[in-house]
Parts: sequence; structure tokens; C-alpha cells
Amino acid sequence: GAGVSQTPSNKVTEKGKYVELRCDPISGHTALYWYRQSLGQGPEFLIYFQGTGAADDSGLPNDRFFAVRPEGSVSTLKIQRTERGDSAVYLCASSADRPVETQYFGPGTRLLVL
Amino acid sequence: EDQVTQSPEALRLQEGESSSLNCSYTVSGLRGLFWYRQDPGKGPEFLFTLYSAGEEKEKERLKATLTKKESFLHITAPKPEDSATYLCAVQGYGGSQGNLIFGKGTKLSVKP
Repeated sequence: GAGVSQTPSNKVTEKGKYVELRCDPISGHTALYWYRQSLGQGPEFLIYFQGTGAADDSGLPNDRFFAVRPEGSVSTLKIQRTERGDSAVYLCASSADRPVETQYFGPGTRLLVL
Repeated sequence: EDQVTQSPEALRLQEGESSSLNCSYTVSGLRGLFWYRQDPGKGPEFLFTLYSAGEEKEKERLKATLTKKESFLHITAPKPEDSATYLCAVQGYGGSQGNLIFGKGTKLSVKP
């Protein structure tokens, strides 16, 4: 079956602009995660959804970052007033259920803020 | 605070030269330890999950082991196609609600 997909694969924007990053999880997976990966670092947790609700958003760096998953499937990560420090690869993962289920990752969206 | 440290940061091997990658962890109750492989420009690809000390898992040339403080990824007779960054992550019972805490990875290069 299809894996996790993310669009766009690359996004270049200017400082101060708004961006949206999309994640399509594996069909039937109830848990969805967003991570951010900077060059030479491991992924860092941002937010976790169980169904439609954000069960844990403790990793969001500030209130410019927001994510939704209105129908319990596709999720959108939204970044307002982008800053150069937001440049990174944004990874999405999904898993069948909690507590200990393998998280399967998408290819990521490479965001560059000029 | 949950923490994962991987060593070495980079490892260069000749084809066929076996070696091991280390993952040391500190976690408030281990739910699971995960190994992923990441190729340049790609997302992490799942390899193994280990749940308790003494557990071992194998896949082709890779073998993962787990103790109460660390995990090893043993690579036997590696081939150039094993070149990638190997990421270790833990999932604990603590305040992160089980989300993965990753190390920085070990970049493995295997030369023919």
C-alpha cells in the first residue's frame, strides 16, 4: 500500500510569508506526528494527533506554528510570519495506534526561508 | 529529561569490514527503542523496534541489540549500499507522551 506522502517536496518562501505543508498518512493510521529536522541533527518532535485532536503540541516552538487534522486523516502544518530559522526539513509520520507502534515517515518537505 | 546519544558521528568502512554503531539513552521508562535508516534527501526508513533489555533483532546484514542503557547496531560484512545515516530513537513513558526522541545519527560510508 501507499506510504506517507507529503507536499510540496520543496518550498522556498520569503521571510514574513505564510506557508502550509501537507501530510497524507498511511490509510487507517489514527496517530499522526510532525517532526522538524535541521541539517546534521535528528528529527525533533513538534506535534502529535490522535484522530482529529492534537494530543500533544508541546514541541511547537512558538505560536507562529499551528497544525490541523480536521477529518482525522490529512494534516496541514501552518507557519505564519516565517523566519530564516524556520528553514529545515519538516517530516510527517503516522502509526496505527498508541502506545508503542512503529512510526512510518514520509519523504519530508524541505522549507527554505530567504 | 529523555536523551539519546549516538556514536560515532561518522564511520567509514571498507566493504566487508564489520563494525558496530552505539546508541546510549536516558529515558524515564522505556516503551521502545527504534532504529531507522535515512538516505540523503529522504525520510527515515524503519529498521527495528526493541522493547526490553536482552532483546535482539536481525535483518540481512544488520543486527540490533538492547541493554538497559544502550543499543548497538551491528553491521556484518557491509556493502556500499549500506551507506546511510542510521538514527536511533527512544519512546518513553515520560512527559513527551511517548513521542520519539532521536539522536543525531551516525553517518556510515562503506567503500568498495
